Order: sequence, then structure tokens, then C-alpha cells
Amino acid sequence: GQSLEQPSEVTAVEGAIVQINCTYQTSGFYGLSWYQQHDGGAPTFLSYNALDGLEETGRFSSFLSRSDSYGYLLLQELQMKDSASYFCAVKNNAGKSTFGDGTTLTVKP
Amino acid sequence: NAGVMQNPRHLVRRRGQEARLRCSPMKGHSHVYWYRQLPEEGLKFMVYLQKENIIDESGMPKERFSAEFPKEGPSILRIQQVVRGDSAAYFCASSERAGAFQETQYFGPGTRLLVL
Repeated sequence: GQSLEQPSEVTAVEGAIVQINCTYQTSGFYGLSWYQQHDGGAPTFLSYNALDGLEETGRFSSFLSRSDSYGYLLLQELQMKDSASYFCAVKNNAGKSTFGDGTTLTVKP
Repeated sequence: NAGVMQNPRHLVRRRGQEARLRCSPMKGHSHVYWYRQLPEEGLKFMVYLQKENIIDESGMPKERFSAEFPKEGPSILRIQQVVRGDSAAYFCASSERAGAFQETQYFGPGTRLLVL
């Protein structure tokens, strides 16, 4: 089966940098995704890593280490609007994505 | 290009009734995924479908739940004889491709099911 672990809550201040870690166990690993969800609304795609290394998209970056079964989402120059839940999701070679339980990020002024 | 559409947005059912949730994927997308989310919890995978085929239904309860994605029309998630524990938000997502290097799932706004 597939399982993921990520912290349940993270708090940071505006302008800071925060890293949300995700460790996973799966067979037939394809890639690791990150999604953002505000207040129970539609999750929105942030990034996807299929290969080791860092992917940068504006203020958000995502990292993957396949050998360590580990990834993280890095948010820079935090803004109040970044307060949301962040989910990592692992995709297997059958196309199925399993989501973690989410990390609630609270950005304080 | 309209996004993923789900209807109804809110659905109230009494115990024992049937709930039928619809999902229209983005234009050109042939892969559909259904997830369930309880309050304060993560998204739980239910089923992955392509046109006219169920690819993976390992997350869907064996009884009372079924899903389809016909050649024409929306994908349907059907819950028969609903119970209070079925109350949740049900999200549908679609993607254009499902290969190793392609992964963007676009989510609909969800259907909030409340079973009285």
C-alpha cells in the first residue's frame, strides 16, 4: 500500500521561509505532488517531482529524494494568503495518487 | 476552458436514500479521480477512472458505492442506502494524462453530502 507522513501544523510569520516535509512509503513510485487547499475548498496543484532535485515555481519550491523516500515543499516570503492546508501526494505506476493528511500552515503578522 | 464541474454543490439525504454525485472533467481530460474528505482530514482516494473503464477502485467501499465514467456525459459517483457516516465532501479531479512525468490533477469545487 501507500502511506505518507507530514506534520499536522506549522506556524510562521509573514516574510519568513517555511519547509513542510513529507515522507512516504509506496511501491511503484512515480512522483510526489503538492496541493494547497483553502478552507475546505477545491485543492489546487502546486508542484510535481518525478526526479530527484529541486523544482522552483516562484515563491514555492519542491524537493524530492527518491532514495530517502522524502520530499519537502518550501514556501518563501510568506504572505498571509498562504495560510492554508498543504497536502503531499504520492503517485504510483498505476496512476493512483494517495494524499497525506495535510499540514495546516498558519501565517502570522 | 471551463474547469472541473461538480454538481450538486450541496446534497442532503435521509438515511437509506441514494446519493448521486456528478463530475464533468475539464475539456480534453479523460482521467477522473474521486476523493472523500472528512472535516479536518485529508483527501482519501476512492476511485480512478478513464472513459468507460475503472482503473483502480481500491479506495471505494465494496458495498453501496459505485462509480462510472461513460463514453458520453459526466462521471457519476453513486452511493446507495446512505448512512450518516457517508457525510463528507466528495471531490472529483481530472487530468489530461497519467504518465510518470505528467501529473496535474485539477479539482472541482466538491459536493458536500449531508446525511440526516
